[in-house]
Amino acid sequence: DADVTQTPRNRITKTGKRIMLECSQTKGHDRMYWYRQDPGLGLRLIYYSFDVKDINKGEISDGYSVSRQAQAKFSLSLESAIPNQTALYFCATSDPRTGENQPQHFGDGTRLSIL
Amino acid sequence: AQTVTQSQPEMSVQEAETVTLSCTYDTSESNYYLFWYKQPPSRQMILVIRQEAYKQQNATENRFSVNFQKAAKSFSLKISDSQLGDTAMYFCAFMKPNTGNQFYFGTGTSLTVIP
Repeated sequence: DADVTQTPRNRITKTGKRIMLECSQTKGHDRMYWYRQDPGLGLRLIYYSFDVKDINKGEISDGYSVSRQAQAKFSLSLESAIPNQTALYFCATSDPRTGENQPQHFGDGTRLSIL
Repeated sequence: AQTVTQSQPEMSVQEAETVTLSCTYDTSESNYYLFWYKQPPSRQMILVIRQEAYKQQNATENRFSVNFQKAAKSFSLKISDSQLGDTAMYFCAFMKPNTGNQFYFGTGTSLTVIP
């Protein structure tokens, strides 16, 4: 089983709809992240969380919200989806307790298309 | 914010040959970490190699090695004996300690290995 699981894998929806992307992890990491990937722009950070009581905005948080329901779960919401939010979304985790140079571990991504 | 630049949007290499992917970054920090991630068509994000800035020795992982030039703020990835499975998007990433393990990604280089 994957250590970082994202659901759904793919989603097509309409403008104005509320959408939630979910992420769960079995790695026991405190830190979780949501990224957006667009062609030619790489990965950009939307939100990140150090624990269930700590939520921080990233580079491109406008139009998004998050919820850290438990250490293992971090969901991303689009309250009213718009077409320019069409992208590939990644959840990631990290555990700096084992050293500062630890990589982030990624889920398989959710491809979101907004018509 | 840190800036990571990958100036080669696309590259190709013949199978069994060697290819080098470029990455430069902009920072005023003296201690930081650098990573290369691979994203194959399956869209997973896979860690290829990491480098600590305080280490002068270049990191190596099997056929993958880096040329880390700290003064020039350059971190290139060399792939030796290229294989068809190396076909993927490659992302360079920068991480500064004490920033919540935040990663800053380049825009990626799409590498195609030609049979």
